[in-house]
Amino acid sequence: DAGITQSPRHKVTETGTPVTLRCHQTENHRYMYWYRQDPGHGLRLIHYSYGVKDTDKGEVSDGYSVSRSKTEDFLLTLESATSSQTSVYFCAISELAGANYGYTFGSGTRLTVV
Amino acid sequence: KNQVEQSPQSLIILEGKNCTLQCNYTVSPFSNLRWYKQDTGRGPVSLTIMTFSENTKSNGRYTATLDADTKQSSLHITASQLSDSASYICVVSPDNYGQNFVFGPGTRLSVLP
Repeated sequence: DAGITQSPRHKVTETGTPVTLRCHQTENHRYMYWYRQDPGHGLRLIHYSYGVKDTDKGEVSDGYSVSRSKTEDFLLTLESATSSQTSVYFCAISELAGANYGYTFGSGTRLTVV
Repeated sequence: KNQVEQSPQSLIILEGKNCTLQCNYTVSPFSNLRWYKQDTGRGPVSLTIMTFSENTKSNGRYTATLDADTKQSSLHITASQLSDSASYICVVSPDNYGQNFVFGPGTRLSVLP
């Protein structure tokens, strides 16, 4: 999707290893979000950021940490991956919060923990 | 608990036919409701956004309706095309902050030639 890139697109990792997913935006948007999507569930918020070094937890934050040292990059880290973290991870960006603002999603990272 | 339910879970229609997808929610308070289209292997893309005061919103062949009293929304697709094959996700927000979005599980639509 234009303006937002996730990397890697696919990753297979072993249980217990650390994993970092990257979200990069070129829109200079203030808000960035990490979601996970699992079959039968709606997207669930992991963490979000409302500015450089300003982050907060979402609904399913256990086992995840994030960092935002620059406006354009939002990193999601799984400190010690578990099989329950096998999922598709989506990053989203928004210029501002509110009904008048759209939220643009990246193309996702498919993570498999074996 | 704030929840969004969608029906049907999946739907198969023939190209050129119309269809309607349903969204029921228990989110309270209510700020806005969004419909997204998600192609396989891609992220969701916004179709419509409706606030409390809006009853209907169109985007090309997509028309969303909202009944805030019954807490129901529908997405009507007219003259379906093969490219409409995707998952359609209903998202409800209780306020103006994206971190509080409540996502439905989606309806998987398949349009066959």
